[in-house]
Amino acid sequence: AQSVTQPDARVTVSEGASLQLRCKYSYSATPYLFWYVQYPRQGLQMLLKYYSGDPVVQGVNGFEAEFSKSDSSFHLRKASVHWSDSAVYFCAVSATSSGQKLVFGQGTILKVYL
Amino acid sequence: EAAVTQSPRNKVTVTGGNVTLSCRQTNSHNYMYWYRQDTGHGLRLIHYSYGAGNLQIGDVPDGYKATRTTQEDFFLLLELASPSQTSLYFCASSDAANSNERLFFGHGTKLSVL
Repeated sequence: AQSVTQPDARVTVSEGASLQLRCKYSYSATPYLFWYVQYPRQGLQMLLKYYSGDPVVQGVNGFEAEFSKSDSSFHLRKASVHWSDSAVYFCAVSATSSGQKLVFGQGTILKVYL
Repeated sequence: EAAVTQSPRNKVTVTGGNVTLSCRQTNSHNYMYWYRQDTGHGLRLIHYSYGAGNLQIGDVPDGYKATRTTQEDFFLLLELASPSQTSLYFCASSDAANSNERLFFGHGTKLSVL
């Protein structure tokens, strides 16, 4: 069965700094990978997804993520964060054979200070 | 943009109580899901369905029943609520059987079992 680990429970950065949120997955084949964001008192929204091709995928609001099969990782990056990026970020994986069963990581709380 | 509406937004019940959480999606998505969100665990899948009358067991189904009465409506039932079921519950829907389709989430139901 597939699984996801987000090793950083909380990340704090200053506005304008670069950002990387880490995600490691476990799955025997190439999975489908996602990043979702949860703003306060809201449901989750998808930022980006990867399922094949270029390992660097672009998402909304300047976010991108890079898939690495050798490292089993799918880290999220942003060149310059804004205070409004403060939220909880979830990495998720879907096995190619499991239909729509998405498995989420524990989440990383991002705080951006001015 | 697909709409997923959950009700109620907040619910308080006592141990042993009977609770029904409701979810309606208005874009005729075939897949619907119930997740619970707990600190340190991220989102965990309780039950899901790929159509009216269908039910699939998720990763943490114990203590929960679910029913998909129509394409639009998916209910989560706690017949003997316990304090361990205090959580934030999210309903989600998606459009297709492909594993790379995004999920659309409701705003969540906060359930407290005293």
